[in-house]
Amino acid sequence: GAVVSQHPSWVICKSGTSVKIECRSLDFQATTMFWYRQFPKQSLMLMATSNEGSKATYEQGVEKDKFLINHASLTLSTLTVTSAHPEDSSFYICSAPFRYSGSGKTQYFGPGTRLLVL
Amino acid sequence: AQKITQTQPGMFVQEKEAVTLDCTYDTSDQSYGLFWYKQPSSGEMIFLIYQGSYDEQNATEGRYSLNFQKARKSANLVISASQLGDSAMYFCAMRLALYGNKLVFGAGTILRVKS
Repeated sequence: GAVVSQHPSWVICKSGTSVKIECRSLDFQATTMFWYRQFPKQSLMLMATSNEGSKATYEQGVEKDKFLINHASLTLSTLTVTSAHPEDSSFYICSAPFRYSGSGKTQYFGPGTRLLVL
Repeated sequence: AQKITQTQPGMFVQEKEAVTLDCTYDTSDQSYGLFWYKQPSSGEMIFLIYQGSYDEQNATEGRYSLNFQKARKSANLVISASQLGDSAMYFCAMRLALYGNKLVFGAGTILRVKS
């Protein structure tokens, strides 16, 4: 199956600093990638759709100036949490769509990044 | 509105027995896809099985099968011969073809397999 990597897997930072999370598709190209946020024992909430060569599309209620997304190439998307605060502490996970069979196109997920803002 | 409903917050199953995790969906689209993902405590999302809205046969992948009842808008996951390693959170999701292939997730079901 397709492989998506994410870096870093863990990050602890002080309040007010910015944190960059990378999402890479390792063995396929992805013109679109998705960024999700997940709080403990809750479901995944889509934050934004990252589009290669154009601006990201943000979901309602997600601050685009707070969560900067850059889709620099067909294999790399980055999420930068600017001026992070404790309420930004969460599990961030990216995904990329991949056709795995004739009619099946699923999303393969990265391993996720746990962010803790002190 | 596009919505996925998982009504079972938690389930227990005895090792080697089968278990069914419920999922109902709501959409007015004719073309959609339904997915099940497993999330162990490590946090990674593991793709299990896919069912397309036009697929006439129920999808199967090893010990996983998807009981697709289109008229009832349900897509239940059946895990046969449960193993201790099946203990995890399970999410049902729907792909919205008209919305850039975004996924909408249900609330999830925590499955615990007992030895």
